[in-house]
Amino acid sequence: GQQLNQSPQSMFIQEGEDVSMNCTSSSIFNTWLWYKQDPGEGPVLLIALYKAGELTSNGRLTAQFGITRKDSFLNISASIPSDVGIYFCAGQGRGTYKYIFGTGTRLKVLA
Amino acid sequence: DAGVIQSPRHEVTEMGQEVTLRCKPISGHDYLFWYRQTMMRGLELLIYFNNNVPIDDSGMPEDRFSAKMPNASFSTLKIQPSEPRDSAVYFCASGIGGGGELFFGEGSRLTVL
Repeated sequence: GQQLNQSPQSMFIQEGEDVSMNCTSSSIFNTWLWYKQDPGEGPVLLIALYKAGELTSNGRLTAQFGITRKDSFLNISASIPSDVGIYFCAGQGRGTYKYIFGTGTRLKVLA
Repeated sequence: DAGVIQSPRHEVTEMGQEVTLRCKPISGHDYLFWYRQTMMRGLELLIYFNNNVPIDDSGMPEDRFSAKMPNASFSTLKIQPSEPRDSAVYFCASGIGGGGELFFGEGSRLTVL
């Protein structure tokens, strides 16, 4: 099925470092969602974005809806061990209620 | 508040058997989605419903898969007959209005031997 390109695929960082990841698509999206998934659990919604250029924060997390409407970014500041997991972006295009998911970024935090 | 509830959490079955996965969406949500997650293909949308009506089932792999939503609080995904390549985690998710936030259940991990 169709997927968004998400990068990087994986990251190993030191505790306290900042993290950046992004999603890109060849299609324009109206909504971007960012999720975190822990092993054996379902994806948990972190941030939702609805307008081009929108910048939204949730604690140490900040996400942006790209101006071109074809990309989105997620930043995590001052990472902690519990940030470990897989982060997914999801986009919803015009005229559809389908959400397409990115391939995921696996984050590992070294204490 | 109760989230999306899925059952069973784990299912191990033999090839050829019928499998039924169940989902209870969040009360008041009018959209329900079924996704499948595998290492190779990631999260794939199988089908979604609006007000209990199937809107897009283009992601359903083949005729062995079927999904129903008899009322606003219950949906099933059935595989008959099951095959080893159906082994995956199946997620149900629900949302309001179709253009907003989407909430996932804990998933049903299916293993077909």
